[in-house]
Amino acid sequence: GQNIDQPTEMTATEGAIVQINCTYQTSGFNGLFWYQQHAGEAPTFLSYNVLDGLEEKGRFSSFLSRSKGYSYLLLKELQMKDSASYLCAVLYGGATNKLIFGTGTLLAVQP
Amino acid sequence: DAGVIQSPRHEVTEMGQEVTLRCKPISGHDYLFWYRQTMMRGLELLIYFNNNVPIDDSGMPEDRFSAKMPNASFSTLKIQPSEPRDSAVYFCASATQGAVDTQYFGPGTRLTVL
Repeated sequence: GQNIDQPTEMTATEGAIVQINCTYQTSGFNGLFWYQQHAGEAPTFLSYNVLDGLEEKGRFSSFLSRSKGYSYLLLKELQMKDSASYLCAVLYGGATNKLIFGTGTLLAVQP
Repeated sequence: DAGVIQSPRHEVTEMGQEVTLRCKPISGHDYLFWYRQTMMRGLELLIYFNNNVPIDDSGMPEDRFSAKMPNASFSTLKIQPSEPRDSAVYFCASATQGAVDTQYFGPGTRLTVL
């Protein structure tokens, strides 16, 4: 299988920094996405990593280590509106390219 | 521009009934994906189309599920007969370059099978 592991829940304080980790099986790996999903809404794209290193986009950054099968999403200057589920999704190649999602990390930002 | 459109937004039906979910992708997007989301299993890919042709349906649970895309602006996901375990949120997403590209999700259809 293509197990994707991320913590189920996390809690952080407004204004702080939080790191959400994701590990995955490296065989067939073609890239990694992070999506944000607010309760009752659709997932929306946050970031895409295919090469090792850090991709920064405003308050959000995403890191990838292909050899270790590891990624993290870093959220800075947390705001209450950042309370949501964060989905790690791995693109696996083969006969067809498929995006496999983790079960998501529910982040609660507290005042 | 309008995003991905799905209908209905909510569907409640009884076990054994046929359910049809509908999706209109973003204009110009050649790829369309159907996902199912549950608390236990997360977001699972059911099937995806490229230029109206099914490319990978390995995620379709069983023969009770079928999907069609008769043209570039419309797709359906049908469950017949429906069972309580099919209760989930079903999302449709579209993209320009397939799974390697950003996928734009519709608002989802929340299905409850009693």
